[in-house]
Amino acid sequence: AQSVTQLGSHVSVSEGALVLLRCNYSSSVPPYLFWYVQYPNQGLQLLLKYTTGATLVKGINGFEAEFKKSETSFHLTKPSAHMSDAAEYFCAVSVPSGSARQLTFGSGTQLTVLP
Amino acid sequence: EAGVAQSPRYKIIEKRQSVAFWCNPISGHATLYWYQQILGQGPKLLIQFQNNGVVDDSQLPKDRFSAERLKGVDSTLKIQPAKLEDSAVYLCASSTGSSYNSPLHFGNGTRLTVT
Repeated sequence: AQSVTQLGSHVSVSEGALVLLRCNYSSSVPPYLFWYVQYPNQGLQLLLKYTTGATLVKGINGFEAEFKKSETSFHLTKPSAHMSDAAEYFCAVSVPSGSARQLTFGSGTQLTVLP
Repeated sequence: EAGVAQSPRYKIIEKRQSVAFWCNPISGHATLYWYQQILGQGPKLLIQFQNNGVVDDSQLPKDRFSAERLKGVDSTLKIQPAKLEDSAVYLCASSTGSSYNSPLHFGNGTRLTVT
C-alpha cells in the first residue's frame, strides 16, 4: 500500500521568502505524484503533477516540485512567496489498483504568509 | 468549462438523522469520486464510479453510507443514520478517466455538522 507523509502541518514564511513544503511517499510501484492546493471553503485545485520523464515539474502560480526517487520525496517550492499563496497544500500519490486508482492524500500543510 | 457542482454547501443535522448530498460532475467526465475530509486531515476516498458502475467502495461504511450515480452523470451520497464522527467536508471530484495520472477536478464541498 502507498502512503504520503507531509512534514510540518503548519509552515510560516515572510512575503518574498522561499516556500518549501515537504512531502515523502512510499509505494511498491512507480507512483504518479501530485500537489493540490485548497483555499478556504473551496475544493482542491491541482498545482502540478509528476508522471514520467523530467523530474522537475512546473505548475501554476510559480510553484515547482522535484521528484527524487532515491529520497522518495516530492517537495514543493516557490522562490518568492506571495500573500495569495496562503492556503492548505496536499501532496498525493497515485498508483494503479486493478481497474481503479488508488489516490492517497497526505494530511496537508497550512501555509501562512507574513507581511 | 463549468466546474464540479455540489449542493448544499452547508448542512447541520442531529445524530441519527439522515442527509443527502448531490454532485454534478464536469460534462464528459466518466469518473466520479466522493471524498470525506475530516478537519485537519487529507481527503479520504469513499467511493469511485466509472460511468454508472462502482469501481471502488472499499472505504465506504456501507452500514450507513450509500451512493448512486444514475445514468452515469449526477451522483448522490446519503448517510443514514448520521453519527457525530461523520462531521466533515464531503468533496465530489471528477476526471476524464480512471487512469492513475488523470488529475481530479474538485467541487467546493458540502460541510456537514452532526450535533
